[in-house]
Amino acid sequence: AQSVTQLDSQVPVFEEAPVELRCNYSSSVSVYLFWYVQYPNQGLQLLLKYLSGSTLVKGINGFEAEFNKSQTSFHLRKPSVHISDTAEYFCAVSDREGGAQKLVFGQGTRLTINP
Amino acid sequence: ETGVTQTPRHLVMGMTNKKSLKCEQHLGHNAMYWYKQSAKKPLELMFVYNFKEQTENNSVPSRFSPECPNSSHLFLHLHTLQPEDSALYLCASSQVRQGIYEQYFGPGTRLTVT
Repeated sequence: AQSVTQLDSQVPVFEEAPVELRCNYSSSVSVYLFWYVQYPNQGLQLLLKYLSGSTLVKGINGFEAEFNKSQTSFHLRKPSVHISDTAEYFCAVSDREGGAQKLVFGQGTRLTINP
Repeated sequence: ETGVTQTPRHLVMGMTNKKSLKCEQHLGHNAMYWYKQSAKKPLELMFVYNFKEQTENNSVPSRFSPECPNSSHLFLHLHTLQPEDSALYLCASSQVRQGIYEQYFGPGTRLTVT
């Protein structure tokens, strides 16, 4: 069975500072990896995804993530955050069968940007 | 309307009530999903429908009954719920074909069981 661990439940940072949100997964098979963002009172929105190919993936709003197979990690980074990045961020994994329909999510990391 | 819509956005119901949650996707997708988001627990997949057929039931109690009359609509019928069923229920849709893996989520229904 797959599982996802988001190592930090809350991350406070100052505006314009860099941020890294950590995600580790466990799986016995090859996987697809995703980062979703949830703004207050909204559903989840896809930030980026790793399916294959280059291990550095760029997403929307200036975010990027790096897939590290040996460390089973998929950490999310942004070089300079903005107040509008305040939200909850979810890492998710799916096995490669069935069109990534069975997503397994981490518990989420709440990113708070301070002015 | 665009994307995935859910109604109602908020619902309070007693343990003996029967209610339904509605989800509609305007994206032409062929797969729809129900998820449960509880406080301090990871998002949990409940049901998956492909081309109106249920393909996944993630050990969900029978007091939750899904219905998918067509590829655009998904319902979750609720009866005899427990207080621990209070949560945000999210609907999602996706296009199941080679190379497409993104699920689009609705805003959710906040359910409170009293």
